[in-house]
Amino acid sequence: EDQVTQSPEALRLQEGESSSLNCSYTVSGLRGLFWYRQDPGKGPEFLFTLYSAGEEKEKERLKATLTKKESFLHITAPKPEDSATYLCAGLQGGSEKLVFGKGTKLTVNP
Amino acid sequence: DAGITQSPRHKVTETGTPVTLRCHQTENHRYMYWYRQDPGHGLRLIHYSYGVKDTDKGEVSDGYSVSRSKTEDFLLTLESATSSQTSVYFCAISADGIYGYTFGSGTRLTVV
Repeated sequence: EDQVTQSPEALRLQEGESSSLNCSYTVSGLRGLFWYRQDPGKGPEFLFTLYSAGEEKEKERLKATLTKKESFLHITAPKPEDSATYLCAGLQGGSEKLVFGKGTKLTVNP
Repeated sequence: DAGITQSPRHKVTETGTPVTLRCHQTENHRYMYWYRQDPGHGLRLIHYSYGVKDTDKGEVSDGYSVSRSKTEDFLLTLESATSSQTSVYFCAISADGIYGYTFGSGTRLTVV
């Protein structure tokens, strides 16, 4: 069964304290690995798509990387406005269905 | 979110009543999806559509039906609402099913 597992479930950081979120996946014929940000009471907001192992993408303080088994979302010198739940999802091969992890809730304290 | 609108935003209904949620897009995207989000489960796919009148089931489709008679509208119907269907429902759209999906703002449904 296709599965996406995110860790940790929750993470508290001090402003400026860099860290990484993990997403491990067992998705048959993975066509893409997606990262989303979700703020309370809102829908997920697209951040990145990674398509092949070794690929990296950056946006401001965020950098996403992909290996054959997992993806990391690195957060460099985070700010309080980076506080949100970060969702990882894998796109199944031969379908148009995203399989989501349960998310990591990030809190950045000033 | 620009290009995708869900209605209503909030709804309280009684057990056993039918409920229809609407997703409307102005992007002319081919693919539309309905997800539900519950604590401890994350986002789970209910149904999706890959064109007008073309739909398929997701992992949690029991108790739900969908219809898509126009490109821009995707309706989710709970035939007879149950308390287990209390959830936040998100609609998403995608041009080709591969590149980043765009999500709506969600509908919070409470079944009492």
